[in-house]
Amino acid sequence: DQQVKQNSPSLSVQEGRISILNCDYTNSMFDYFLWYKKYPAEGPTFLISISSIKDKNEDGRFTVFLNKSAKHLSLHIVPSQPGDSAVYFCAATPLIQGAQKLVFGQGTRLTINP
Amino acid sequence: KAGVTQTPRYLIKTRGQQVTLSCSPISGHRSVSWYQQTPGQGLQFLFEYFSETQRNKGNFPGRFSGRQFSNSRSEMNVSTLELGDSALYLCASSLVPRRVPSTDTQYFGPGTRLTVL
Repeated sequence: DQQVKQNSPSLSVQEGRISILNCDYTNSMFDYFLWYKKYPAEGPTFLISISSIKDKNEDGRFTVFLNKSAKHLSLHIVPSQPGDSAVYFCAATPLIQGAQKLVFGQGTRLTINP
Repeated sequence: KAGVTQTPRYLIKTRGQQVTLSCSPISGHRSVSWYQQTPGQGLQFLFEYFSETQRNKGNFPGRFSGRQFSNSRSEMNVSTLELGDSALYLCASSLVPRRVPSTDTQYFGPGTRLTVL
């Protein structure tokens, strides 16, 4: 039972344009959501997070949107840069269990074309 | 400050064998979590240790076990290996377990790539 789903295994975007990565979840107990970025041969690195009390969080070129009623979140990267090419994982956790137990999606491989 | 280190980086085993993977957290970090990454399932939580005690456990069979030492280093063990155990095993450390995550909650190591033949 995949509680966090990233339905697009890959995404290709032109440099300078907007990249939108999507994530859906099924567990209504999730109340904190994170995005991680992973390069080959490296562990995931934290990118941005959002609490369920917000619907938007912005950090530079990265913005995460949360739609609780639809159980959907998205990561917007604008403008996209070649260095953004990586695998992006969304993750969720019910805070009552603490942030150390994250439920991850399967990942979306983003390729930024020059 | 050195990051999370995992050894070995690559490992090849055969079915039925057992394996032990090691994780050294960032200096001062006391919480260690383990994840399994496979192409079909993404990253799945295995277990979390703090102060040498397992605090959380994911949905994995008993063949998967772990422990943490007094210096916060952690090991995970998989016994009676199956082909499906082939995966990237990631370790993540954080300062202390916390209910309200901050932006630097977990730092991941590069992983150990286990191949079971």
